[in-house]
Amino acid sequence: EPEVTQTPSHQVTQMGQEVILRCVPISNHLYFYWYRQILGQKVEFLVSFYNNEISEKSEIFDDQFSVERPDGSNFTLKIRSTKLEDSAMYFCASSPDPYEQYFGPGTRLTVT
Amino acid sequence: AQSVTQLGSHVSVSEGALVLLRCNYSSSVPPYLFWYVQYPNQGLQLLLKYTSAATLVKGINGFEAEFKKSETSFHLTKPSAHMSDAAEYFCAVSRANTGNQFYFGTGTSLTVIP
Repeated sequence: EPEVTQTPSHQVTQMGQEVILRCVPISNHLYFYWYRQILGQKVEFLVSFYNNEISEKSEIFDDQFSVERPDGSNFTLKIRSTKLEDSAMYFCASSPDPYEQYFGPGTRLTVT
Repeated sequence: AQSVTQLGSHVSVSEGALVLLRCNYSSSVPPYLFWYVQYPNQGLQLLLKYTSAATLVKGINGFEAEFKKSETSFHLTKPSAHMSDAAEYFCAVSRANTGNQFYFGTGTSLTVIP
């Protein structure tokens, strides 16, 4: 069964550094999403992406964040200058339509 | 605005007993509702979804949920708990006909006692 994959599974970075989190969505899906889950808190929406552009973003998704689909298979989330409060589990999701989302296993980001 | 409330951050049941995980939603438009399960160190797996068809929805692993508009609820049930059901369960809502972002509850951790 096709799955969403994410790399790396765990990323440790220093405050102020740039990180890129990578996702490979399910191949025939058209909608892509990033969510994050700070330890002990709820899963929060960051951004959705469709037709090579952002379709919706939350207040969390400020200028420090960007997304890209560089080659038709990968979907990346970049954080330009990480802060301590960016430490969280980041989930990628993809969907064939706007109504159902398939999640990857997540990348745990630790900012020190 | 859309939101969900999951009552009970931790639920414990005995193996073989009924599982009931509660979810109430708030939505200004007709909602789509979802239950996801998260096993340790894994991603979110879709258990079942309500998208305005039958109000009683059957999912994987013997779980089902009933959409009750009058109670704004979408509780998850399973008649007989199995040890393998121990996990974190998340209820989520999205806006019907527009989709996009899901709004998640804070999750309920299910423990199954042998």
